[in-house]
Amino acid sequence: AQKVTQAQTEISVVEKEDVTLDCVYETRDTTYYLFWYKQPPSGELVFLIRRNSFDEQNEISGRYSWNFQKSTSSFNFTITASQVVDSAVYFCALSTIKAAGNKLTFGGGTRVLVKP
Amino acid sequence: GAVVSQHPSRVICKSGTSVKIECRSLDFQATTMFWYRQFPKQSLMLMATSNEGSKATYEQGVEKDKFLINHASLTLSTLTVTSAHPEDSSFYICSAPRDRGTDTQYFGPGTRLTVL
Repeated sequence: AQKVTQAQTEISVVEKEDVTLDCVYETRDTTYYLFWYKQPPSGELVFLIRRNSFDEQNEISGRYSWNFQKSTSSFNFTITASQVVDSAVYFCALSTIKAAGNKLTFGGGTRVLVKP
Repeated sequence: GAVVSQHPSRVICKSGTSVKIECRSLDFQATTMFWYRQFPKQSLMLMATSNEGSKATYEQGVEKDKFLINHASLTLSTLTVTSAHPEDSSFYICSAPRDRGTDTQYFGPGTRLTVL
């Protein structure tokens, strides 16, 4: 069975601070995919990134960066120089080749509050 | 822009009535769609996998007679909450993989159901 753990339920920062969201996953499959989604107050989930298990290269997209480490089964997400618009709930998710219909297993989510 | 739409975005109904929620893929065909339920301040819970041309696959604990799913075409899946009760009040979200062969799910904006 798959499991995704986001230990931080809520993080509060002041604008321009960096914030790192932790994500730890469990799976017995050797091929899998990891995702991060953002859910702003409007409720719609926004896709941020997809990583497959064979690609451990870290990625940077603007103020967002991701650190994938298979050795520790972690896929952490950092927002640099946070802004008020970054306030949202962020979900880490996992799917595997063997999961019927590519079902996603979500972590519990981390609520990020960026104060001006 | 949005790739998955949902209608309605918000619905209020009386206890005992049935409510239909539509999920559409906007510029792609989806043989599979997923329906989730999200309670306030909680993560997404997968309810069922909607399969075009065949029966939906329900997750353990989800009542198939209560939550009827019909995948009428390659761009439309509907979720009908039958004989709704206040405990069915929730945020319902659908998703679909846009690109064949990838696991990236794109989510609809969600439907907030309130049963009085």
